[in-house]
Amino acid sequence: QVQLVQSGAEVKKPGSSVKVSCKASGGTFSSYAISWVRQAPGQGLEWMGRIIPILGIANYAQKFQGRVTITADKSTSTAYMELSSLRSEDTAVYYCARVNYYDSSGSYAFDIWGQGTMVTVSS
Amino acid sequence: EIVLTQSPGTLSLSPGERATLSCRASQSVSSSYLAWYQQKPGQAPRLLIYGASSRATGIPDRFSGSGSGTDFTLTISRLEPEDFAVYYCQQYGSPWTFGQGTKVEIK
Repeated sequence: QVQLVQSGAEVKKPGSSVKVSCKASGGTFSSYAISWVRQAPGQGLEWMGRIIPILGIANYAQKFQGRVTITADKSTSTAYMELSSLRSEDTAVYYCARVNYYDSSGSYAFDIWGQGTMVTVSS
Repeated sequence: EIVLTQSPGTLSLSPGERATLSCRASQSVSSSYLAWYQQKPGQAPRLLIYGASSRATGIPDRFSGSGSGTDFTLTISRLEPEDFAVYYCQQYGSPWTFGQGTKVEIK
C-alpha cells in the first residue's frame, strides 16, 4: 500500500522560502501525478499545483504562479513543493496527494494523502 | 475557473439520521471529474466518492453520490458517530477547485 510521508513542520520569516518534501513508499511513484493542496487555519482546501514525475511536467494554480515550484526526484520517489516570498497568509498545512485515474469511469481523484506539513510564517 | 458552492455550511443532525449535502458548480462539470472528501480535525482529507457516484476503496455503502451538470449531492443514509466531520466536493479542471466545505455536526 502506497504511503506519502511528508517532511516536518517549518517556521519561516516573511520573505523567505520553504521547501516541503513528500516521499512515496510501498508502490509505484513515477506514473501518478502528485498534487499539492494547502489549508490555512480553520479554512478550506486550496489546490496549488501538480507534477507528473514520469514526465517532469508541472502545472500551477494561477494564484501561485511565479511563487511556487513543484519538482520530483524519481530516484528517491520524492516530490517537492517550494514556495517563495512567504507572507503571513501562507501560514497553513500543506498536503501532497496522489492523483489516481480510474479507468472504469474516466475519473481523477486524490486517493492517497500525506500527513500534512505545518508551515508557519512569522517575524 | 469553476467555483463550487456547498450548502448548507453546517448541518446539525443526530446519529442515525440522513444527511444530504449539496455542491453546486458555477458551470457544468463532467460527472467523471467530481469527487467528495471527508476531513476530520487534525487529519488529512479522505477520498469518499469519485466520478460523482463511485465509492472509493473501503468506503461504507451508507455514503452515496449523485448528480450531473452543475448540481451534485453527497448522501449519508444513516449517520454513524464517526461520520461527523467536514465534507468537501472537488472538481478536476484547470485548475482543480474545492468547495468551501460542509460541516456535519452532532445535534
